[in-house]
Amino acid sequence: AQSVTQPDIHITVSEGASLELRCNYSYGATPYLFWYVQSPGQGLQLLLKYFSGDTLVQGIKGFEAEFKRSQSSFNLRKPSVLWSDAAEYFCAVGGAGNTGKLIFGQGTTLQVKP
Amino acid sequence: ETGVTQTPRHLVMGMTNKKSLKCEQHLGHNAMYWYKQSAKKPLELMFVYNFKEQTENNSVPSRFSPECPNSSHLFLHLHTLQPEDSALYLCASSQEGGPQHFGDGTRLSIL
Repeated sequence: AQSVTQPDIHITVSEGASLELRCNYSYGATPYLFWYVQSPGQGLQLLLKYFSGDTLVQGIKGFEAEFKRSQSSFNLRKPSVLWSDAAEYFCAVGGAGNTGKLIFGQGTTLQVKP
Repeated sequence: ETGVTQTPRHLVMGMTNKKSLKCEQHLGHNAMYWYKQSAKKPLELMFVYNFKEQTENNSVPSRFSPECPNSSHLFLHLHTLQPEDSALYLCASSQEGGPQHFGDGTRLSIL
């Protein structure tokens, strides 16, 4: 079955600390992988995506993610978190083409302590 | 400014009402999407349009009727909704490879 698991529902980190949000997926074909962020009252914003090539992907706002096929993972990282990074983060997986039929994880809520 | 504009931002309607949600993008994207976001549940794809043609209908009940008159506009017509349809409805667009830009959504409440 195709699925996305974000094991951490809620994470709290201190401002300036490093961050890693976990994402594991199950997908039968070559996956397209995405990370989105959602602030309260707003829609989702695409942080980064992986289609092929270099397995370390750079995104906006200083985020990066690494695709590890052997572990079926696509973890999101940031070396130094800002207070403004507090939001909900979603990992998603899909196949080739523009079907938009992404499978989303349940999301991880990030709280940042000053 | 996300490039995708949704109206209205909030909508309260009775179960017998008919209303429409509107989405507009001027990013030059070819694909537009409707997603449903309910509390405690993952984001659910509803419909996808590519070049004005519907390419995905994710087993959505017929009380939701999409319309895409051109590549820049997408509507979701609502009628005879149920309380469980209360949710945040998100529109998105992309050029290729999955939804790229999302609107801020319409918060729908069914009385």
